[in-house]
Amino acid sequence: EPEVTQTPSHQVTQMGQEVILRCVPISNHLYFYWYRQILGQKVEFLVSFYNNEISEKSEIFDDQFSVERPDGSNFTLKIRSTKLEDSAMYFCASSTARVGLQETQYFGPGTRLLVL
Amino acid sequence: AQTVTQSQPEMSVQEAETVTLSCTYDTSESDYYLFWYKQPPSRQMILVIRQEAYKQQNATENRFSVNFQKAAKSFSLKISDSQLGDAAMYFCAYGSGGGADGLTFGKGTHLIIQP
Repeated sequence: EPEVTQTPSHQVTQMGQEVILRCVPISNHLYFYWYRQILGQKVEFLVSFYNNEISEKSEIFDDQFSVERPDGSNFTLKIRSTKLEDSAMYFCASSTARVGLQETQYFGPGTRLLVL
Repeated sequence: AQTVTQSQPEMSVQEAETVTLSCTYDTSESDYYLFWYKQPPSRQMILVIRQEAYKQQNATENRFSVNFQKAAKSFSLKISDSQLGDAAMYFCAYGSGGGADGLTFGKGTHLIIQP
């Protein structure tokens, strides 16, 4: 069964450094998402991406964040200058269409980011 | 904005017994979707079951079923014949039918299976 994959599984970085989290969505999916989960808290939506542009973003997704689909398979989340509060699990998800069109989002295993 | 509330931080059940996890939500939309996701220790988020708000019939997937009460805005998950592999965090999530792309999650319920 096709799966969403994410790399790396864990990343440790110094405050102020740039990080890039990578995701390979399910191949026939068209919508891509990033969520984050701070330890002990709920999963929060960051951004959705469709047709090579951001479809929607939350208040969390400020100028520090950017997303890109550099090729036909990868979907990346870049944090330009990491802060301590960016430490979290980051989940990538994909779907064939938006939830409103009766489609389900399938999640990857997550990348645990620790900012020191 | 929509909110999802899971009032049970932790639940425990004996293996082979039945357990029900609670979820309530608040929305002004009439078209929406509800989901239960499972997150085992491996941290992978796995879809357990989904329910379309326009459907009156409760969704079922093998040992998993929901009790969807639209008027009460309640969406509970029943796990029958609990197995050790069911031990995980369970998240209830709301998806808008025509508005936001992102899902709104509850805080989760940690389910413990006692052998």
